[in-house]
This record gives sequence, C-alpha cells and structure tokens, in this order.
Amino acid sequence: GENVEQHPSTLSVQEGDSAVIKCTYSDSASNYFPWYKQELGKRPQLIIDIRSNVGEKKDQRIAVTLNKTAKHFSLHITETQPEDSAVYFCAALRGSGYALNFGKGTSLLVTP
Amino acid sequence: DTAVSQTPKYLVTQMGNDKSIKCEQNLGHDTMYWYKQDSKKFLKIMFSYNNKELIINETVPNRFSPKSPDKAHLNLHINSLELGDSAVYFCASSQGVGGSTEAFFGQGTRLTVV
Repeated sequence: GENVEQHPSTLSVQEGDSAVIKCTYSDSASNYFPWYKQELGKRPQLIIDIRSNVGEKKDQRIAVTLNKTAKHFSLHITETQPEDSAVYFCAALRGSGYALNFGKGTSLLVTP
Repeated sequence: DTAVSQTPKYLVTQMGNDKSIKCEQNLGHDTMYWYKQDSKKFLKIMFSYNNKELIINETVPNRFSPKSPDKAHLNLHINSLELGDSAVYFCASSQGVGGSTEAFFGQGTRLTVV
C-alpha cells in the first residue's frame, strides 16, 4: 500500500506553545515529503518539505524531521500564533512518482 | 500572475448533468494533477499527467474524463453527475522528476450536486 497516516486529527494549543504533528508512510521508495497548510476555504500551500537524504530541515518557527528507517516524519511549529490555525497535511511522493499521498490532515487551533 | 488557475470556483448542478472544470498553469511545469477533497477534507489523487500523457488514473469512475490539450492545461469532464461527486476539486502542477518538487494548487472548484 501507499498509505500515509497522520496524527493527531485535531490539536489545540495555547499561543506561544509548540505543536507537533506526526506522520508515517508505507512506500519505502518515497523520497520527498512536503507539508501543506490549508486555511478555511483556501487552497493547500506548501510550508516546508524534506527529501530523504536529509534528516531535519528548519525554516524560522517551522521544522520537519525525517526518520527513513522508521518511515516517520514530523512537523514542529514553535511559538505558535493564532494565524497558525489551519489544517495541516503531510504527504509523501509515491516511489513511482507523479502523485502525492496525503495524510488525513490535522486541524490545529491556536488560542490567544 | 496566478500560477494555477481553475474555473469555475463554484458549480451547482443537478444529478445526471455533465459538467467541465478547466485548469491552466503558467509555471512551465510538466506535471499536472486533479485531486479530490471530500467533506472530511481528505485530499486524494484522481489523475496525473506528464507532458500531456496520462500517468496515473486512480480507480476513478470512467464518468470522469481528464483531457490535456497541452502541458499547460488539464481539464476535467464529468458525465452523469451523482450526489457523491459533491466535493472540492483541486488542480495542481509540479516540476522535477516524477513531480518531485512543490505542487502548486489552484483555488479549487466546489462542486455541489443536488
């Protein structure tokens, strides 16, 4: 199979706290793992991505880690702000390419 | 300067009708996709095309027929619409080997079948 499992499905944090979303994938040939943020009524937009030759990548308050052996990758958001509230999707590019398999999404709510 | 644009944004139609959604990208990408987002927000690949050629057809009913007249356009035609077809349909495009770089999404088409 080519499933991507994502947890949790909902996450509520206080402003300033950290948020962590975790994903696992089954296609061992996957080598590209993007994260998308989707605000209500809007299109998904890439926030960060990581390739299989890298274990960690950081961009300001956002970081992604990848454990290829365990087929796990995670999104870390530090110092959360209310504008971080959205649905976040992890994805894995199929080993055969030409399609992203998405997780089912995490609805993040950051309360002031 | 919209990167991926799809029309219409909203589509309300009766069961049994036929409708089309158009998509265009001006990014020069080789790979284009149709994704379906259901009411639970799950994003699922329907089709992918590379240089106008169909690469993936993800067990989509053959009432759905994509067409790519050139690599900048990927349209979706749906015959005999059913209630279960109600969803948001996103077009997207990407570059790189097998589409291995950022996928840019269109604004989505919210299809409601009544």
